[in-house]
Amino acid sequence: DIQMTQSPSSLSASVGDRVTITCRASQSISSYLNWYQQKPGKAPKLLIYAASSLQSGVPSRFSGSGSGTDFTLTISSLQPEDFATYYCQQSYSASITFGQGTRLEIK
Amino acid sequence: QVTLKESGPALVKPTQTLTLTCTFSGFSLSTSGMRVSWIRQPPGQALEWLARIDWDDDKFYSTSLKTRLTISKDTSKNQVVLTMTNMDPVDTATYYCARPRGSSYGDFDYWGQGTLVTVSS
Repeated sequence: DIQMTQSPSSLSASVGDRVTITCRASQSISSYLNWYQQKPGKAPKLLIYAASSLQSGVPSRFSGSGSGTDFTLTISSLQPEDFATYYCQQSYSASITFGQGTRLEIK
Repeated sequence: QVTLKESGPALVKPTQTLTLTCTFSGFSLSTSGMRVSWIRQPPGQALEWLARIDWDDDKFYSTSLKTRLTISKDTSKNQVVLTMTNMDPVDTATYYCARPRGSSYGDFDYWGQGTLVTVSS
């Protein structure tokens, strides 16, 4: 299976900060990389698909980049509702895998 | 409007077989390109993809769990069923069904609310 490694595992930041989360795949996955946001007790929400495409309805402060093995999710100016856990996920392989998550906390 | 909802037992005993049903609306699994996956999440842990079934009845399973999983569909009832054999306490998790965007494979834009399954004697 393709292993997905996120860093950092947790992150403290303030409202208004610019935040970047990275995700590395154990082999090339082209641009088959998706990002999700999950809040406690809720199902994940798709933010970014195909590495850099913004899902409909998602604020433009979220952006994604990368291809091959290295990817990033950037939040340009953190808002209070952005404090959550973020997951990357590859859909290159039929055996889909997720990263371990990055917990974004209020500083 | 696409919706999905998981149902099944909240508690199962070790060694038992778990059967979960995903009942959906707003699309048909007989339509070319449609797919439904099952994903789980142990308390406080990461998401884990389990299985997928396609409109043409193709089925795909997690490498680590494939010997224990079976996925099937009932197109007439708009349901997808997942069975997992030989349940263990480590299988305690919230189980989600999800549908990917359009005819893609794994960018899930629609999710059920999840159902918590606890494995305990």
